[in-house]
Amino acid sequence: QQKVQQSPESLSVPEGGMASLNCTSSDRNFQYFWWYRQHSGEGPKALMSIFSDGDKKEGRFTAHLNKASLHVSLHIRDSQPSDSALYFCAASITGNTGKLIFGLGTTLQVQP
Amino acid sequence: EAAVTQSPRNKVTVTGGNVTLSCRQTNSHNYMYWYRQDTGHGLRLIHYSYGAGNLQIGDVPDGYKATRTTQEDFFLLLELASPSQTSLYFCASSDGDSDYTFGSGTRLLVI
Repeated sequence: QQKVQQSPESLSVPEGGMASLNCTSSDRNFQYFWWYRQHSGEGPKALMSIFSDGDKKEGRFTAHLNKASLHVSLHIRDSQPSDSALYFCAASITGNTGKLIFGLGTTLQVQP
Repeated sequence: EAAVTQSPRNKVTVTGGNVTLSCRQTNSHNYMYWYRQDTGHGLRLIHYSYGAGNLQIGDVPDGYKATRTTQEDFFLLLELASPSQTSLYFCASSDGDSDYTFGSGTRLLVI
């Protein structure tokens, strides 16, 4: 069973719109989360990490973590066509990234 | 800027063939990883290493060997390649306290 589950599988939003991606862990040991983005033909690149309950904002990206429900979300405001990519949620037992477990990803398409 | 370089970029081999994928990082990171990426399975950890000479088994190790010869170099070996190992392979490095840096990937086709 996938320990890190992402939804939706794919998402389409208009340029300038808000994209919301979700991630849930089925393993209560996973307490630390990251978001990665992968453009076609490239390797994944880290967007942001979140370790504490609440919101963390970096530019147009906001991550939200609820440790009680093991749910983390990523919200992208003012979405741009360049945001079109595969987004991965990753989790680990410790803040040390020694071993990250990745979800299956959400494909985001931003329509111009 | 931190860099992880993988080679080759593309590889075709026959079933039963011998393949070595190479990865070099210039980040002075202690941790290095090999993942495979497949549609419907996401990124799955094959092997990883904490430093030169160290090797840890990942989640999908069957059919793969790995060797960390130096802090910079991490190799993935497929000694009897099978079609099920056709995949996109990524190497990554980390200092353990920050995010991974991934390479650009090696696309392997086993025919």
